[in-house]
Amino acid sequence: EVQLVESGGGLVQPGGSLRLSCGASGFSFSAYSMNWVRQAPGKGLEWVSYISTTRSTIYYAGSVKGRFTISRDNAKNSLYLQMNSLRAEDTAVYFCARDSGYCSSTRCVEGSGNFDYWGQGTLVTVSS
Amino acid sequence: QSALTQPASVSGSPGQSITISCTGTSSDVGSYNLVSWYQQHPGRAPKLMIYEVTKRPSGVSNRFSGSRSGNTASLTISGLQAEDEADYYCCSYVGSSTFVVFGGGTKLTVL
Repeated sequence: EVQLVESGGGLVQPGGSLRLSCGASGFSFSAYSMNWVRQAPGKGLEWVSYISTTRSTIYYAGSVKGRFTISRDNAKNSLYLQMNSLRAEDTAVYFCARDSGYCSSTRCVEGSGNFDYWGQGTLVTVSS
Repeated sequence: QSALTQPASVSGSPGQSITISCTGTSSDVGSYNLVSWYQQHPGRAPKLMIYEVTKRPSGVSNRFSGSRSGNTASLTISGLQAEDEADYYCCSYVGSSTFVVFGGGTKLTVL
């Protein structure tokens, strides 16, 4: 059974830092690209960041670029999100999500935006 | 990249069919066969319901179907059931760097 379990959320002051983790099990973690998606209280989903299987391709949403860093350790089946210079507007539940990839008739690509498995989320609250 | 446009709410009675629209542009929904739909019940993680515009993951009821016309994708739920009451989000690939964009979400109420 595929499982994604986030941890590391909590209360942090504006300007502070936090590191989120996502532990994966039930599948070959190194074979899938991964994402972080967040949801502010009462709001919709917002994609945050993407990392490919070998870490060669990384993307960030404009709202977090330069402040957040995504990483992964395939040996530990773990995904991370280092969040610095946190702002009140970063307050949200943060989900890790597996990207299923995409295959056309001629080739397969890793990043597709098809998020086939999600963790339960971890709440980050930025407040003084 | 702006969010995709979804109606804030839709409703239907048990047994009826409803359709949720998701309007983008020729740079996202209209360009790639990578539109997905997610169901989210309160306090729960999102669940993939439709991917690559029309495909259903294993285990998802065939009452859920996806389609696209031009820059607008749609999710249709037939034979509405009480457990379908949830928030629904569309999502489209938009190319490298920007990667994906979500819709604002639609709250489905089963009357």
